[in-house]
Amino acid sequence: TQLLEQSPQFLSIQEGENLTVYCNSSSVFSSLQWYRQEPGEGPVLLVTVVTGGEVKKLKRLTFQFGDARKDSSLHITAAQPGDTGLYLCAGVSSGAGSYQLTFGKGTKLSVIP
Amino acid sequence: KAGVTQTPRYLIKTRGQQVTLSCSPISGHRSVSWYQQTPGQGLQFLFEYFSETQRNKGNFPGRFSGRQFSNSRSEMNVSTLELGDSALYLCASRVVGADTQYFGPGTRLTVL
Repeated sequence: TQLLEQSPQFLSIQEGENLTVYCNSSSVFSSLQWYRQEPGEGPVLLVTVVTGGEVKKLKRLTFQFGDARKDSSLHITAAQPGDTGLYLCAGVSSGAGSYQLTFGKGTKLSVIP
Repeated sequence: KAGVTQTPRYLIKTRGQQVTLSCSPISGHRSVSWYQQTPGQGLQFLFEYFSETQRNKGNFPGRFSGRQFSNSRSEMNVSTLELGDSALYLCASRVVGADTQYFGPGTRLTVL
């Protein structure tokens, strides 16, 4: 069974602070995705990382993929209240006509004004 | 382009009943997947359909079933509801072969 562990589970910070969320996998997936989910809505894809060592930036968000493609991190610089939400990492398993996401349990982020 | 739509958005049922949830994918998306989200287990994959055929199935009992119609719309059914089936059920669609899924807002099912 492929597992994804996220840490921390909860994070409450002041506006303007930096934070890092971690995602560690027990095995290698085809790729790894990060999502953000707000209450009452479905997850929204932020980024897909594929190559070991890859770094992607999305405004104040920086995503890193470990060299072994089993760990990833999401770093937010100068967090804002609009960053509040549930951050999920997901391993993509695809091939032979099938597609499946395995999700971590998420990090619930609260950014206090 | 309209996003993934799910109906109903909220549902209350009692133990032992059955329920059917509906999902309309983004136009042109032929793959539809279903996920269950609970506070304890997080988001878990239920199954994926395209071309009206189940392509992949997660680790859920046979009470959970689904189907897909020729217009790519999908339904999932849960029979003999249990309290533990209370969850947010999410549908996601994608273009077959693409790695990006788009999620709907979900159906919140409460079993009393």
